[in-house]
Amino acid sequence: EPEVTQTPSHQVTQMGQEVILRCVPISNHLYFYWYRQILGQKVEFLVSFYNNEISEKSEIFDDQFSVERPDGSNFTLKIRSTKLEDSAMYFCASRGDGNLKNIQYFGAGTRLSVL
Amino acid sequence: DQQVKQNSPSLSVQEGRISILNCDYTNSMFDYFLWYKKYPAEGPTFLISISSIKDKNEDGRFTVFLNKSAKHLSLHIVPSQPGDSAVYFCAASGRHQGGSEKLVFGKGTKLTVNP
Repeated sequence: EPEVTQTPSHQVTQMGQEVILRCVPISNHLYFYWYRQILGQKVEFLVSFYNNEISEKSEIFDDQFSVERPDGSNFTLKIRSTKLEDSAMYFCASRGDGNLKNIQYFGAGTRLSVL
Repeated sequence: DQQVKQNSPSLSVQEGRISILNCDYTNSMFDYFLWYKKYPAEGPTFLISISSIKDKNEDGRFTVFLNKSAKHLSLHIVPSQPGDSAVYFCAASGRHQGGSEKLVFGKGTKLTVNP
């Protein structure tokens, strides 16, 4: 069964460093998303991406964040200068079109720890 | 901003009995509702969904009921099995400008099914 793949599973970084979280969405999907979950809190929307551009972003997604689809398979989230409060689980999701267009499929997540 | 609320942080049921998980929402623009199941160290796994034009959707042991006038939905699991023990998230989406259809999540309910 196709799945969303995220790497790494755990990323530890120093405050102020840049991190890139990687995702391989399901191959025929067209819409891509990043969400995050701070420990003990809700899963929160960060950004959606379609047709090589951001279609919507939340207040959390400030200038320190960027997304890119550098090739036909990868979808990345970059945090330029990490802060302690960026520590969270980051989930990538994708969805297709047609009958299942409303269903987003999630990866296993990347745990980001900012020290 | 709690547009999607799951007021029960936890639920414990006996194997073979019915589990009922509840979810309330406030935003009338939501038109699609999903339930996700999450095990520790994994991403949310899609379980079942319902469109706002329906009031019930069934898939095997899982049934979702939607009461639009009360802005309430529930997930029924019958019969409950120990393998169903997980955190269950209610999520909602609505048509946004640009078609992002981001998901708004509740805080989750931790279900424990006792043998």
